[in-house]
Amino acid sequence: GAGVSQSPSNKVTEKGKDVELRCDPISGHTALYWYRQSLGQGLEFLIYFQGNSAPDKSGLPSDRFSAERTGGSVSTLTIQRTQQEDSAVYLCASSLTGMAGELFFGEGSRLTVL
Amino acid sequence: ELKVEQNPLFLSMQEGKNYTIYCNYSTTSDRLYWYRQDPGKSLESLFVLLSNGAVKQEGRLMASLDTKARLSTLHITAAVHDLSATYFCAVGFNTDKLIFGTGTRLQVFP
Repeated sequence: GAGVSQSPSNKVTEKGKDVELRCDPISGHTALYWYRQSLGQGLEFLIYFQGNSAPDKSGLPSDRFSAERTGGSVSTLTIQRTQQEDSAVYLCASSLTGMAGELFFGEGSRLTVL
Repeated sequence: ELKVEQNPLFLSMQEGKNYTIYCNYSTTSDRLYWYRQDPGKSLESLFVLLSNGAVKQEGRLMASLDTKARLSTLHITAAVHDLSATYFCAVGFNTDKLIFGTGTRLQVFP
């Protein structure tokens, strides 16, 4: 596609529910990243994929968070049993060749947990 | 610990003035990025700096990288209102992890 596409753009959920956030990277980009940005804060690294494998999962905040990528393309970030502190904008980025290259960001998915 | 620090965190400047934003990082790296974020929007790539001494310029913005000092600067020349945004530096480390700085919120007023 023309750019990184994320869905949903906005999600409001109740505490304890599970949510799935989707990222469709730029076609041909092998590397995919998830970051979290809380209101007025910087970006917190969550996870990075090279192809379908995730060499670095160290940023996932807890075992309630998981991510997968299939076919070297679309990625899904799943948050189980959401908590209020999970409220943030979740940003996805892709890169043609990994970190040595430029990251292109999607518009983000704004998650609000009530 | 991998740390990336920016200063200042907030910058209010008058149109026409010059200023520099600093980005310091804690561990050896040879790739650094600058991004711009407008309120409610995603991040837009400004500069990619991949070697010591790299300098890049686009319009009123110029970025440089000193890997020995672990320092990058983003210099603003003759600021205009359209430059008002939050600017982030991001540093790449060995495992391909990209760590972002805290951001510098720039406000340019007449």
